[in-house]
Amino acid sequence: LAKTTQPISMDSYEGQEVNITCSHNNIATNDYITWYQQFPSQGPRFIIQGYKTKVTNEVASLFIPADRKSSTLSLPRVSLSDTAVYYCLPNTGGFKTIFGAGTRLFVKA
Amino acid sequence: SQTIHQWPATLVQPVGSPLSLECTVEGTSNPNLYWYRQAAGRGLQLLFYSVGIGQISSEVPQNLSASRPQDRQFILSSKKLLLSDSGFYLCAWSLGTGLGEQYFGPGTRLTVT
Repeated sequence: LAKTTQPISMDSYEGQEVNITCSHNNIATNDYITWYQQFPSQGPRFIIQGYKTKVTNEVASLFIPADRKSSTLSLPRVSLSDTAVYYCLPNTGGFKTIFGAGTRLFVKA
Repeated sequence: SQTIHQWPATLVQPVGSPLSLECTVEGTSNPNLYWYRQAAGRGLQLLFYSVGIGQISSEVPQNLSASRPQDRQFILSSKKLLLSDSGFYLCAWSLGTGLGEQYFGPGTRLTVT
């Protein structure tokens, strides 16, 4: 399974765009990249998933370059309620999912 | 719509006591089911997953066990709890091959004293 590296924490202000990058140098050909969000004392919640190039939904955008060795989650105009931990997971479609330590995003007023 | 339930929400147990946590899913059939544990300030550790009734895969050797007596019921057990078993236990479900989204329950916070 591909190992991921994310920043431990990030700070931002309300209204700013936040980009969280995840490195996955040994990603497998069949791996998709999935991002989850977790609030304190809650289970993670799916945000977005992609394989390459760009994927956008109502919550975020996901950018994956051609070499697929990294991915960037982009959160437009964050608010205080976006303060959470964000996890990047390579996923081949098996069941052995690995959540790393994630990135703790703190949004300030 | 699908919902996932876990109980109890919180639990305080002495070392050496047994444990039983239950998870049930409503509104879907033949889900894949997962048990995770999260220590304070850490990521999620996959403990068990199940793709069908009676089919359990263990990811981490420990004093925990899991059972799936019914299609939408997943139980996490221990005969004797250790201090290191303290944590936030999360149940999740997904459909298909496991590539898609996992849906998590509200979790059980277990403190072993």
